[in-house]
Parts: sequence; structure tokens; C-alpha cells
Amino acid sequence: DAGITQSPRHKVTETGTPVTLRCHQTENHRYMYWYRQDPGHGLRLIHYSYGVKDTDKGEVSDGYSVSRSKTEDFLLTLESATSSQTSVYFCAISEEVGNQPQHFGDGTRLSIL
Amino acid sequence: AQSVAQPEDQVNVAEGNPLTVKCTYSVSGNPYLFWYVQYPNRGLQFLLKYITGDNLVKGSYGFEAEFNKSQTSFHLKKPSALVSDSALYFCAVRAASGGSYIPTFGRGTSLIVHP
Repeated sequence: DAGITQSPRHKVTETGTPVTLRCHQTENHRYMYWYRQDPGHGLRLIHYSYGVKDTDKGEVSDGYSVSRSKTEDFLLTLESATSSQTSVYFCAISEEVGNQPQHFGDGTRLSIL
Repeated sequence: AQSVAQPEDQVNVAEGNPLTVKCTYSVSGNPYLFWYVQYPNRGLQFLLKYITGDNLVKGSYGFEAEFNKSQTSFHLKKPSALVSDSALYFCAVRAASGGSYIPTFGRGTSLIVHP
């Protein structure tokens, strides 16, 4: 398995609080992604990064921000969590885009009450 | 814009029988196509991909997929299903050139293999 670690694996928090999820990789891959998975929606891209300090928005980026200060770490922040952000969040990495597959972490289950 | 359709939310098959999980796609130009599998409480795992060449692609765990350009389909198949194949399966597509280089995923199909 690709070396991807997501932390925390589970979190319960209250509406309005800030939340930061961490993705750490040991593969030295250039590209990193954050997805959320919800029943009936499959995987939806939140943000992605194509290098240190290079990030861009995905299809569901509202309410989320990201940072990548070094190759191995990609942080996802919910500045003020809402109940609609209750979901399972997955980090993925890829060596190059295009014809290379992505490798996924095991997810963070986030519940916002 | 690129898109993927997995028309079946759930597929049920008896152990030992062949299985098919369907995927159709829409993309400008030639596609790169991927299948992933997700087991409970785990991330997605790569199964196989079509880039170019033979329309029949073989992957992990005895799975294969057939690329059909005229029908814009990339159905996942296995000749003899195992109970352990029960999982969630995702198809993904991106354009081989131009357009977005980020793949688009289908909504997933739950495969249930009955003993």
C-alpha cells in the first residue's frame, strides 16, 4: 500500500468550530487531493495540490481551505464547520496526472453536531 | 465536461457466477479509464486502467474490463465471483489530452456476492 496516513481517523465536533484534517505521504508524490464521500454522490473533489504552495479548487470547495507547505503534508481546514460537512474525507496522491492511478488514504470520518 | 455513469446502485450475484459492473463515460477525445474497489472503512484501491491498446484490460484479483469506444463503456467483469469480492466499485475517467487532468468518478456500485 502507498504510504498515506490520514489523521485523525474519526472526529466529532460542534457546528461553528474549526477543524483541520491532515494527510501525510511518504511517497514523495507531487499531486495530492482531498475528496469527500457521501451516499448517493460518490466521490467529490474538494481541493487539490500540484506542488508545494500550489493548490486549486475542486467542485465542492465552498467552506474549505487547504495548505501545502511541504511535499509530504496536505491540510484540509473547515474554518467554521457546518452539519452539511459531516462526511467521510479521503486524501489521495498521484505521481503524475493523466494515466497514473491515484492512491487513497483510509479516510477520516467527520461528524458535526 | 467529462462524466461517468454507473447505472446500477447495486449488483447481486451468486458465488461462482460471472459478474459485470457497468460504466459508461463521456469525455472529449480519447479517455483514460480506471476502476477502483473500496472495502468497508478503507480507502479506494486501484484495480485496473485503460490507457490505449487492447480493449480487454486485466487487473488485480482476477478482474478485467472491456473498453468499447463506440458504446463509450468500460464494464468491469469477472468470470467467477467470490464472496470476498463484495465491495463498492468506482469507475473514473479523464481525457487523454486537453480538458481537466483530474479524473471524474462515478457514484459507485455496491457488489453483493451471495454464498
